[in-house]
Amino acid sequence: GAGVSQTPSNKVTEKGKYVELRCDPISGHTALYWYRQSLGQGPEFLIYFQGTGAADDSGLPNDRFFAVRPEGSVSTLKIQRTERGDSAVYLCASSLGGGTPGELFFGEGSRLTVL
Amino acid sequence: TQLLEQSPQFLSIQEGENLTVYCNSSSVFSSLQWYRQEPGEGPVLLVTVVTGGEVKKLKRLTFQFGDARKDSSLHITAAQPGDTGLYLCAACIMNRDDKIIFGKGTRLHILP
Repeated sequence: GAGVSQTPSNKVTEKGKYVELRCDPISGHTALYWYRQSLGQGPEFLIYFQGTGAADDSGLPNDRFFAVRPEGSVSTLKIQRTERGDSAVYLCASSLGGGTPGELFFGEGSRLTVL
Repeated sequence: TQLLEQSPQFLSIQEGENLTVYCNSSSVFSSLQWYRQEPGEGPVLLVTVVTGGEVKKLKRLTFQFGDARKDSSLHITAAQPGDTGLYLCAACIMNRDDKIIFGKGTRLHILP
């Protein structure tokens, strides 16, 4: 498809487990963003990539969270030793990048539930 | 500290009424965007405003960027049930490249 694709759409895990969430952006988009959204709240910035490098990771809550984008396309958000407070919808967005912010195109999100 | 304050948090009005929602900050932004989000989906861009004082219209929606580029408003004329959703403002902080942050949103419900 032509849009941003996120997998899995739903993930239920147990406290303490490791989780990976994948984002496949729109082809040609150099900027990629990860946000976390709790029920009834706006998206909370986590990290954004310009190409392969993390241009700003100031929103990652702690060192249990890590994200990579090794080839400048697909990105993986990794969460170690999950906690119940990590439960949320994790949204990925991509844009053309390159200076003036353009339109963010979002995926449908990965809903993470930590039991 | 919430950089972008949106008000009201919730708004429920009758079809046909007019409404205005607000996005405020103490920071200056290089640009500001409004998105709309429906349940189970990601936000979708409505408009981007860049120049202080700029006004943009999208059918029954009017967006304004404050002169000092610290605030914005969204006015809906003759609201319809299809306008129901979560309205989010998002902004790029000056000199912070493409980092885009969001407000908590205004949840709008239009009663038929």
